[in-house]
Amino acid sequence: RKEVEQDPGPFNVPEGATVAFNCTYSNSASQSFFWYRQDCRKEPKLLMSVYSSGNEDGRFTAQLNRASQYISLLIRDSKLSDSATYLCVVNKGYGGSQGNLIFGKGTKLSVKP
Amino acid sequence: DAMVIQNPRYQVTQFGKPVTLSCSQTLNHNVMYWYQQKSSQAPKLLFHYYDKDFNNEADTPDNFQSRRPNTSFCFLDIRSPGLGDAAMYLCATSRDSGGEQYFGPGTRLTVT
Repeated sequence: RKEVEQDPGPFNVPEGATVAFNCTYSNSASQSFFWYRQDCRKEPKLLMSVYSSGNEDGRFTAQLNRASQYISLLIRDSKLSDSATYLCVVNKGYGGSQGNLIFGKGTKLSVKP
Repeated sequence: DAMVIQNPRYQVTQFGKPVTLSCSQTLNHNVMYWYQQKSSQAPKLLFHYYDKDFNNEADTPDNFQSRRPNTSFCFLDIRSPGLGDAAMYLCATSRDSGGEQYFGPGTRLTVT
């Protein structure tokens, strides 16, 4: 099982749609969870941290299910500017440097007019 | 306003010619990271510094070295770049290990 696994997509949705991305992680000792957004040929930018049972920031809601080792990101009322790759990120949680982050390959979202 | 700065943004080097990429931060964060990212792949951690303490990932080639002369600056040295080293190199910082990381804009390296 990969350490962090995501559906690569692409997800092609119309403006205004609600879209959900899922991510699974392999190490039950992981404690820190994040969603990053990466635009084409740009650096990853922190979208949300997910520390407990989940949190909401405007149109974005992140959920964490520790029992299933599963994280989700819900985007409501999609905008054209939401088009990007969304990276699921989890801390290593074991061994030395357990704080290091492991990045998923990302899920590509394309919002169409 | 820029918090993590990388120079240059684009670097072209010849096969085997040493190259140095630089990163600076104004956040006063303890940890600085270097990642390599190739097209359609996840960022891959090369190494990180917790303050002056250097931590190398087990699969980082010896061709890659790093220096952190002070809190603000960190350098990535590629001693003999190969064609396979062409990638985006991302510098990131975090206040502490395991926390949120903030990335610089990256340096896109081309090897000819």
